[in-house]
Amino acid sequence: NAGVTQTPKFQVLKTGQSMTLQCAQDMNHEYMSWYRQDPGMGLRLIHYSVGAGITDQGEVPNGYNVSRSTTEDFPLRLLSAAPSQTSVYFCASSLGPKAFFGQGTRLTVV
Amino acid sequence: KQEVTQIPAALSVPEGENLVLNCSFTDSAIYNLQWFRQDPGKGLTSLLLIQSSQREQTSGRLNASLDKSSGRSTLYIAASQPGDSATYLCAAGAGGSEKLVFGKGTKLTVNP
Repeated sequence: NAGVTQTPKFQVLKTGQSMTLQCAQDMNHEYMSWYRQDPGMGLRLIHYSVGAGITDQGEVPNGYNVSRSTTEDFPLRLLSAAPSQTSVYFCASSLGPKAFFGQGTRLTVV
Repeated sequence: KQEVTQIPAALSVPEGENLVLNCSFTDSAIYNLQWFRQDPGKGLTSLLLIQSSQREQTSGRLNASLDKSSGRSTLYIAASQPGDSATYLCAAGAGGSEKLVFGKGTKLTVNP
């Protein structure tokens, strides 16, 4: 089973560029979420979705957009990358309270 | 706003030692408490999930307890092994059972 798959694993962007981090799950989970992990800060919730067509903001949503057109996919978009968005990004899907995480995307904005 | 704190930030022990990792949370109205393991450069793996109505969960050498009244959870690791070396994160389910608030983690090193 693939579980939660994130692509790419690594990415370097220039300030002002845009990109989409991909997240796909094959477990038919309704709930999906995006977190960022920064040194000394722990994981913080960016956006989440309780099902196709429904998204909401988490703790640190500014600078990020999401959409959920299918149950399987939950992409995270950076419209204009900033150095402050340098981080490791994790996507998760949940079956009730039990969460399954992807391997992460390490993003560097220069 | 729920805040989760983990102490210590790092811990180094000799192989075979029993150890306890601590997690505290500020709001006792949690849905659940989870412990995760994170290896360097990897994602998070769920170890134990304690529902708010439960007091503890066990899996192999791991035992997690939950005391909502004191706002504390502990992860007990028995007979530690070098393969247990990783960062351990606790997360409180707040504002819904799936919305997790994470602590900053405890980096555990088990020395052979």
